[in-house]
Amino acid sequence: SQQGEEDPQALSIQEGENATMNCSYKTSINNLQWYRQNSGRGLVHLILIRSNEREKHSGRLRVTLDTSKKSSSLLITASRAADTASYFCAPHPYGNNRLAFGKGNQVVVIP
Amino acid sequence: EAGVAQSPRYKIIEKRQSVAFWCNPISGHATLYWYQQILGQGPKLLIQFQNNGVVDDSQLPKDRFSAERLKGVDSTLKIQPAKLEDSAVYLCASSPYPGVEETQYFGPGTRLLVL
Repeated sequence: SQQGEEDPQALSIQEGENATMNCSYKTSINNLQWYRQNSGRGLVHLILIRSNEREKHSGRLRVTLDTSKKSSSLLITASRAADTASYFCAPHPYGNNRLAFGKGNQVVVIP
Repeated sequence: EAGVAQSPRYKIIEKRQSVAFWCNPISGHATLYWYQQILGQGPKLLIQFQNNGVVDDSQLPKDRFSAERLKGVDSTLKIQPAKLEDSAVYLCASSPYPGVEETQYFGPGTRLLVL
C-alpha cells in the first residue's frame, strides 16, 4: 500500500503537554505532508517535508523524516485545546501524482 | 482570499437515487481534486483535473460516478445510482500549480447519507 499509516491512532493529552505521532509508509516518496482536520476548519495543510530533508519546523510543529526507515513523526509542542483534531500524514509517492492519506491520528487535548 | 466552496453541505437520499455535488475552487487554481472520505478513514482521491482535463480518475467507480470541469473552473461530481456504501463526506480541493510539491486547499465537504 502507498498510503501512510499513523500511530497511535488515538491520543489524549493535557493542555501544555507535547503530542507526538508517527507515520510509516512503504514506497519511495517525493515528499510527505501532514494535514489536520477538525469540525471547525475542515482539512488544512500543516507542513511538507521533502525526501532530502530530515527535519522541519513550523511554529509549534516539528516534523522529522527518516527515508531509510520510511517513517515520519509530527511533534506538537505546548499543546492547546484548539489542537484537538485528526492528523493525517500523506506521503507523495515517487512517480505518482496522488497523495496517499492514512487513516489519521485522533488527538484530544484536555484543557 | 476566498476558500474552496462546496454545496450542498449535507444531503440525504435513498439508494438508487442520483445526487450531484458542486465545487468552486480558489480563483486561479488550475488543479482540482475530488476525494471521498468514509467515516474513520482518510480521504481517498476519486478524480484529479488539470484545468478542464482529467489527470487521474483511476479510483473513480465509473459505472456510477462521473465528474466534469467544463470551463476549467468549477466542477460537479455526480453519483447515479447511489448505493449505501457511498455514504461519506465528499471533499473538493484545489492547488495553484501541478507538481510534486503542491499544497492542496480543501473545501468544507458535502456529507452524504444514503438510506
